[in-house]
Amino acid sequence: DTGVSQNPRHKITKRGQNVTFRCDPISEHNRLYWYRQTLGQGPEFLTYFQNEAQLEKSRLLSDRFSAERPKGSFSTLEIQRTEQGDSAMYLCASSHSGTQLYEQYFGPGTRLTVT
Amino acid sequence: QKEVEQNSGPLSVPEGAIASLNCTYSDRGSQSFFWYRQYSGKSPELIMFIYSNGDKEDGRFTAQLNKASQYVSLLIRDSQPSDSATYLCAVSSTGRRALTFGSGTRLQVQP
Repeated sequence: DTGVSQNPRHKITKRGQNVTFRCDPISEHNRLYWYRQTLGQGPEFLTYFQNEAQLEKSRLLSDRFSAERPKGSFSTLEIQRTEQGDSAMYLCASSHSGTQLYEQYFGPGTRLTVT
Repeated sequence: QKEVEQNSGPLSVPEGAIASLNCTYSDRGSQSFFWYRQYSGKSPELIMFIYSNGDKEDGRFTAQLNKASQYVSLLIRDSQPSDSATYLCAVSSTGRRALTFGSGTRLQVQP
C-alpha cells in the first residue's frame, strides 16, 4: 500500500512568485485534505475534497490560494503572489469515506521558504 | 481559549517508564479523537484513534477518552528513546472532516 506522496519536498521562492504543490493520495482514498504547519504549532486545516468536489475551505485560505482535484485523484495547491508569511510546511492527507473510517494519513509535506 | 489544548512540555521520562500525555478540547460536539507522533522535520504519523468513552489499547499505547470531561489522553508504556517526539492531539467535530490539532507535547525519553 503506497502512502501519500507530495512533490516537491522543498521549495524556495522569492516573494511575489507563484508556486504549485502536488499531492497524490493513497490509491483507495477518496478524501483529500490540505493543511499548513508552522514551527511549534499543530497543522491548520486549509481545505478538503471528496472525490473532485471541494467541500470545505478554511478562512485561512485567502484568495491567493487555490486548490484543485480535477479527476478525483491527485490534487494541486497553488499560492499566487507569495508572501514571507506563507513560509510553512504544507501537508496533504487522505482518508477513506467508508463508515467510521475517519483516520487521516499524512504525506511527507512540502516545505516552502519565501525569501 | 484554544479549541484543543496540550501542554507544550517538554515532558521528560526515563527509559522504561510510562509517559502520560494529555489533551482537552472545547467543542462538546467532537466525535473522533486522534493521536499523531511527529519527529522533528517530519510529517505527523497516526498512532492511535478513539471514538468511544473508555480505553483503547494498541501495543505499548493506550488512548483514553472521557467525553464528559472533554479530555483525551495517551499513555506510552515502557517508553523508549525512539519515542522521543512531539505528540499531537487532533479532534474532529460532527459534520466536519477537518481535524483541529493542538500545538503538541514534546516528549523526551532519557536513556
